[in-house]
This record gives sequence, C-alpha cells and structure tokens, in this order.
Amino acid sequence: DGGITQSPKYLFRKEGQNVTLSCEQNLNHDAMYWYRQDPGQGLRLIYYSQIVNDFQKGDIAEGYSVSREKKESFPLTVTSAQKNPTAFYLCASSTQTGPNTGELFFGEGSRLTVL
Amino acid sequence: SQKIEQNSEALNIQEGKTATLTCNYTNYSPAYLQWYRQDPGRGPVFLLLIRENEKEKRKERLKVTFDTTLKQSLFHITASQPADSATYLCAFFPSYNTDKLIFGTGTRLQVFP
Repeated sequence: DGGITQSPKYLFRKEGQNVTLSCEQNLNHDAMYWYRQDPGQGLRLIYYSQIVNDFQKGDIAEGYSVSREKKESFPLTVTSAQKNPTAFYLCASSTQTGPNTGELFFGEGSRLTVL
Repeated sequence: SQKIEQNSEALNIQEGKTATLTCNYTNYSPAYLQWYRQDPGRGPVFLLLIRENEKEKRKERLKVTFDTTLKQSLFHITASQPADSATYLCAFFPSYNTDKLIFGTGTRLQVFP
C-alpha cells in the first residue's frame, strides 16, 4: 500500500547525541515536510522540501538538519544543538508544490525522548 | 502577528448531537483552509478542504464553513458517534504563494454514549 513510513516509532537519546529520524514515501509526492508537535501546541514546521536536492527552513529549524537526496526519502537529524528535543515528530508529503491546495499525508510519527 | 486559534478546552457531547468546533485566525488572508483529524499517538488525517470563495463544504456527516469577514471557520459533525472522538486540527496556507501549511493547536472532541 502507498503511504509514508516513519521510523523508529519510539527513540531514546542521551543528551549530546545526534539522532536521525527516517521518513520514506512511495506516493511519488514532490513535497515533503517535517513537523514537531508538543503538548498544547500546534504542529510547528521544521523543514520542508519541494524537490530533490533542495529544502527550506521552517519556523523552528535551529538544531535540526535534513537532506533530500532521493524523492522518496527526507531524513531529519536532531542535533545536540537542539535545546529541547523531546517531542513527537511528524513527517508529511504532498502532491503539489508552488501555490497549492494540496492535502498533507502524514506518517505515524516518531516520539523522541531525551534522557 | 499571525495567529490561528482553536478552543484548547475539550468539547464533550452526547452521542447523536451535533459537534461544532471553531477555528479563528488573525492577520491572515488564507486562500484555502483544511481540517484534519488526529488520534492519540498517530499522525493527522486530512478530512476536508474549503476555498475562500466557498461558504460551505460537506462530506458525509461533516460540514465546514468559511467566513472571511468573521475570519472564522466552523467544523460540524452531525449525528456524532463515540468513534468521532479525536483531536481536530484546522490549517491554513497563509497566502497563495507559499507551501507552508500553518496549523492550529487543535480541539479535542469526546463523544459519550
């Protein structure tokens, strides 16, 4: 079945360690997104990519990095520079780029806990 | 600053009643508005999209309105069921020329038998 796969679903990290969250889609979508969700807050955009080998910072990009080497994959690295990394991370994709109405298709999320 | 506001308090209603959720925005001129459903520990799922020139949109038991004068969208679930219990998120593209979808904080709906 087509969809978005995020892994791992749960991840524990010690302070000072980098960690990479995987996001793979087989929907042939051009645009991909990473959001962070904290209790009582809306989804906040970290990074997004409209095309392979190109990506843009969202509203809270500090302490995160991404790559888009393949259309299907958009991994997110949470670096040690991220001050408060414990959160629920959501990856999404969309069919359209540019001025659009495209609905977002989300993965099941990755919950990161820093010990 | 631009803001999207949804009622942070949970909405509790009895099965069979109509649930109405509110989404207000300030300092935006959104061209499109979307509603998503999110179950605990899972990713949001798209429900409906409404354009600024559409006053109302329906899908089965769901209805969305979009009032650009009031800067408000209402999301209705008629004949609500316990299975409708979830958090509902509204989201906007702030303008025509952006891919950045902005989300509200969501309202949790609890439908009791």
